[in-house]
Amino acid sequence: KAGVTQTPRYLIKTRGQQVTLSCSPISGHRSVSWYQQTPGQGLQFLFEYFSETQRNKGNFPGRFSGRQFSNSRSEMNVSTLELGDSALYLCASSSVAGGWEQFFGPGTRLTVL
Amino acid sequence: AQRVTQPEKLLSVFKGAPVELKCNYSYSGSPELFWYVQYSRQRLQLLLRHISRESIKGFTADLNKGETSFHLKKPFAQEEDSAMYYCALSRNSGGGADGLTFGKGTHLIIQP
Repeated sequence: KAGVTQTPRYLIKTRGQQVTLSCSPISGHRSVSWYQQTPGQGLQFLFEYFSETQRNKGNFPGRFSGRQFSNSRSEMNVSTLELGDSALYLCASSSVAGGWEQFFGPGTRLTVL
Repeated sequence: AQRVTQPEKLLSVFKGAPVELKCNYSYSGSPELFWYVQYSRQRLQLLLRHISRESIKGFTADLNKGETSFHLKKPFAQEEDSAMYYCALSRNSGGGADGLTFGKGTHLIIQP
């Protein structure tokens, strides 16, 4: 099976812009979770989607949003970008809702200038 | 809110020596604990889960609820163990895990 894929792998944006990141889970996996990884805060849970519904949400402002499509692919959107949003954004998929074994993608490196 | 603490950012040991990566957590409920590992140029992946009580690649971890710890141990380190190790916690809400709370990671270096 192909692993979790994320596009794009690298992205450079300026403050105030918005960005959309994409994640394709492992075939058959219906749960997709998003994490933000920064040197200072480490890995932080953003949200989880299962069957097109947001199931859980971490402690992030409303500028961070996501959605999931009927084919389980997921997108994450960040509006009004701030310098502090520069991070590696990781997507993980699981076969069940809230699955503890999560399969991670390679990440999207977002740089906000 | 739950929290996971890994007190060592970097741990360097010699090949063949014992390894212990520390993890402490705070959570008022009954958590599920995991260790994830990221080898160089590879993706983050699950190493082991406390409930399974397995030994994976020679590593074991015991959940100590009294000390709220979940330390990862291996009696004899090998060079291929060099990696970033993350301790993670999931709230056991009965309806499945609710996202993972990660520690900040320990970079383990095994010297030849």
